[in-house]
Amino acid sequence: QVQVVESGGDVVQPGRALRVSCAASGFTFSNYGMHWVRQAPGKGLEWVATILYDGSDKYYADSVRGRFTVSRDNSKNTLYLQMNSLRPEDTAVYYCAILPPYSFHIWGQGTQVIVSS
Amino acid sequence: DIQMTQSPSAMSASVGDRVTITCRASQGISNSVAWFRQKPGKVPERLIYAASTLQSGVPSRFSGSGSGTEFTLTISSLQPADFATYYCLQHNSYPFSFGQGTKLEIK
Repeated sequence: QVQVVESGGDVVQPGRALRVSCAASGFTFSNYGMHWVRQAPGKGLEWVATILYDGSDKYYADSVRGRFTVSRDNSKNTLYLQMNSLRPEDTAVYYCAILPPYSFHIWGQGTQVIVSS
Repeated sequence: DIQMTQSPSAMSASVGDRVTITCRASQGISNSVAWFRQKPGKVPERLIYAASTLQSGVPSRFSGSGSGTEFTLTISSLQPADFATYYCLQHNSYPFSFGQGTKLEIK
């Protein structure tokens, strides 16, 4: 079954850290660049970060650069997002996804991150 | 950074109507645009990529067009499942960016 499954979302205090994961199965994970996209409550979609298929390059939204780190372990078919210095405005559902230009399309069900004291 | 300005932000229409949603890019992005539909409480579904290529399995009532800075998503005959929020995405260069969304409601 072709799928990605996010995990690790939690309620954390401002300033703390959290790592979320995305486990892939049913396709050749190491062939694809992977993305994190988030959606705050009642808001639109926001692209967060990208890592190329081999981990050789990474890109970040201005809103998270310097605080978030994307990584992957192709031997475990897993994508990660390390989130440090969390802020209330980081509260969102975090999705991992394969985006264009690939014709292959997949999104996970998302993991909820709530940043609150 | 490239900004995607999507319009309208909301609209109402009836089953069977033809509707068009537009995204304008702040600079030329060739044909590097995708369109997504998100039903309430659900994960986004990709409808179109490369501006006009229909994603496998997506009904043919959806079509996309445009190049450069102006892009459109057209739904030729609205169905009940189409009342949802639609987003464009530019994937020409990093940082990628989504439009702010168009909420399509039943008239």
